[in-house]
Amino acid sequence: RKEVEQDPGPFNVPEGATVAFNCTYSNSASQSFFWYRQDCRKEPKLLMSVYSSGNEDGRFTAQLNRASQYISLLIRDSKLSDSATYLCVVNPGGGADGLTFGKGTHLIIQP
Amino acid sequence: DTEVTQTPKHLVMGMTNKKSLKCEQHMGHRAMYWYKQKAKKPPELMFVYSYEKLSINESVPSRFSPECPNSSLLNLHLHALQPEDSALYLCASSQYKGGGEKLFFGSGTQLSVL
Repeated sequence: RKEVEQDPGPFNVPEGATVAFNCTYSNSASQSFFWYRQDCRKEPKLLMSVYSSGNEDGRFTAQLNRASQYISLLIRDSKLSDSATYLCVVNPGGGADGLTFGKGTHLIIQP
Repeated sequence: DTEVTQTPKHLVMGMTNKKSLKCEQHMGHRAMYWYKQKAKKPPELMFVYSYEKLSINESVPSRFSPECPNSSLLNLHLHALQPEDSALYLCASSQYKGGGEKLFFGSGTQLSVL
C-alpha cells in the first residue's frame, strides 16, 4: 500500500460548485498533515495545515479522520483560479525528516 | 511572492557540463532541502540540511553534489548529468528539520539535460 494515496483526477467541476477530495495515509503514527497547491510548472505552495479538530480558511475546509486514516479538502463556491493540482502531504512520524507527498489531485474548474 | 529564491529559473546543459543551482532564504530557517520533481509526479526528496549539516541523502547519484555554505544558502552542483535528470529542481526551507514543519518552496529551476 502506498504511503499517501490520492485520486489523481482530473476533477472537472463547474464554476461555483463545491468539490471535495480525500487522501488516505498508511502510517497510523503520522503526526502532521498539509494540503499544498501546485500550478503547472510552479512550486508547491502551502494551502493549509490540517488539524485534528478540522479547520477552515475562507472557502476551504480541511478535515482529519485519524480512525480511518484520511484527510479531506472541501472547496466551496469554486473559482476558475482554483484550477490546480492539490497535493496531500503527510509527516510519517517516527522521527522521519521528510514529508511524504501524495501524487496530487488535478482540479479543473470550468466556466 | 516566495521568500525562497532560486536561480537560475531555467537551465539547459549538456552531459559533460558542470553547473550549479543556487537557493537563498532569509527567514531564519535552519533546515533546507532539495527536491526533484518530474512532470505529473510529486516532489521527491534528495537532500536535507539541518544547521548547515547534511542530514539526509536519499541515495542520490554522486553526479549531484549539495553544498550549504551558511544557514541562508544552499547550492546543488551538477556534473555529468544524464537526460533522465531533466526535471524541476525545487529548493525548500523550514524553521527546523522535522516532518511537522511547514515547507516553503522556491520557484524552482527547470533543468533540461541534452
